[in-house]
Amino acid sequence: RKEVEQDPGPFNVPEGATVAFNCTYSNSASQSFFWYRQDCRKEPKLLMSVYSSGNEDGRFTAQLNRASQYISLLIRDSKLSDSATYLCAVPTGFQKLVFGTGTRLLVSP
Amino acid sequence: SAVISQKPSRDICQRGTSLTIQCQVDSQVTMMFWYRQQPGQSLTLIATANQGSEATYESGFVIDKFPISRPNLTFSTLTVSNMSPEDSSIYLCSVVFPGILSYTFGSGTRLTVV
Repeated sequence: RKEVEQDPGPFNVPEGATVAFNCTYSNSASQSFFWYRQDCRKEPKLLMSVYSSGNEDGRFTAQLNRASQYISLLIRDSKLSDSATYLCAVPTGFQKLVFGTGTRLLVSP
Repeated sequence: SAVISQKPSRDICQRGTSLTIQCQVDSQVTMMFWYRQQPGQSLTLIATANQGSEATYESGFVIDKFPISRPNLTFSTLTVSNMSPEDSSIYLCSVVFPGILSYTFGSGTRLTVV
């Protein structure tokens, strides 16, 4: 099993839709989790951090399910500007960050 | 907020040559890492840059191919040596700031080897 796994997508949704991505991780001892957003030809930028059961920031909600070892990212009322690749990341030993393959989101008018 | 400067932003290099990428942070950081992102792929950790000592390389990456320096707490370099077209990729430095668990990335170096 890979350390971090994501569905690569793409997820094609209309504006205003709600979309959710899942990310599974293998290390049950992980305590913190991150969602990054990466636009085409740009560096990843931190979207949300998750340290306990979940986190919410405006239209974005991240939830953690420790029993099943996955985190999810929910985007409500999708905007065209939300089109990007969303990367899940989990620290391993010595603070190394391991990334999933990323999930590509395309929001259309 | 702190600024990470990575340069060059892009380069086109001849096979067999070497390129050194610089990562400069305007404040001290606890950890510095180098990642590679091949076309259409996610990020793969190359190594952890250790201040004042040899870098710690991940499986599949060796010092002879990717020598790394970190002379102080705010600066690191990654050299891609004896390049081949397979080294064409985006190389990113990443840092961890004191008291912050998340990682911040430099803007990346887009390398094309011809």
